Amino acid sequence: QSVLTQPPSVSAAPGQKVTISCSGSSSNIGSHYVSWYQLLPGTAPKLVIYDNTKRPSGIPDRFSGSKSGPSATLGITGLQTGDEAEYYCATYDGSLSAPVVFGGGTKLTVL
Amino acid sequence: QITLQESGPTLVKPTQTLTLTCTFSGFSLTTGGVAVGWFRQPPGKALEWLALISGNDDEDDNERHSPSLKSRVTITKDTSKSQVVLTMTNMEPVDTATYYCAHRTGYYDFLAYFDHWGQGTLVTVSS
Repeated sequence: QSVLTQPPSVSAAPGQKVTISCSGSSSNIGSHYVSWYQLLPGTAPKLVIYDNTKRPSGIPDRFSGSKSGPSATLGITGLQTGDEAEYYCATYDGSLSAPVVFGGGTKLTVL
Repeated sequence: QITLQESGPTLVKPTQTLTLTCTFSGFSLTTGGVAVGWFRQPPGKALEWLALISGNDDEDDNERHSPSLKSRVTITKDTSKSQVVLTMTNMEPVDTATYYCAHRTGYYDFLAYFDHWGQGTLVTVSS
């Protein structure tokens, strides 16, 4: 059981927009920064969003992040087949003895 | 350019000890604000944090591990070799997973994120 709650899967057609939600509580998302990671089998996981809204160098502006209270959202516009991957949200939880906690992951399918 | 690469056995037997090495380049694990973490993802399951080691040896919690794994996990570093080693004892089939190491940026947990990752190594636990 993950500390943060994500939908198991989302899907959309190429060119469309998709959002992935991440729900937490006041001790984690509600009080701290959220980061998002993209996992593709056989490749190194990639940081796509940090500090709630910031994109690392090399991440296209099709990726965006937002946060409101105890929830965060990853948005991807102009979907490409290469975006098909698993996405994880992560943050710090002040009530747990761990430097980072993750969501359960969301499988994005680009139809 | 920061890179990390995991190495170790792909198959271990139940009850054996797993030792994985993360060899990195492009940064030094000798100062605060930098850390290396270990994670795993069992097949079909979520990503899980295992352990973290900081570049600042003066920190009280320089080495930390997941409470759920209790005393099974140890993390150490060899700065002269630019390596971080994860040891996990008493391996079981449920420990079958892809294991990753990652570079962390940020002085404090609540300000940090993992910005560079290794490709991961699949470890299977089976007799």
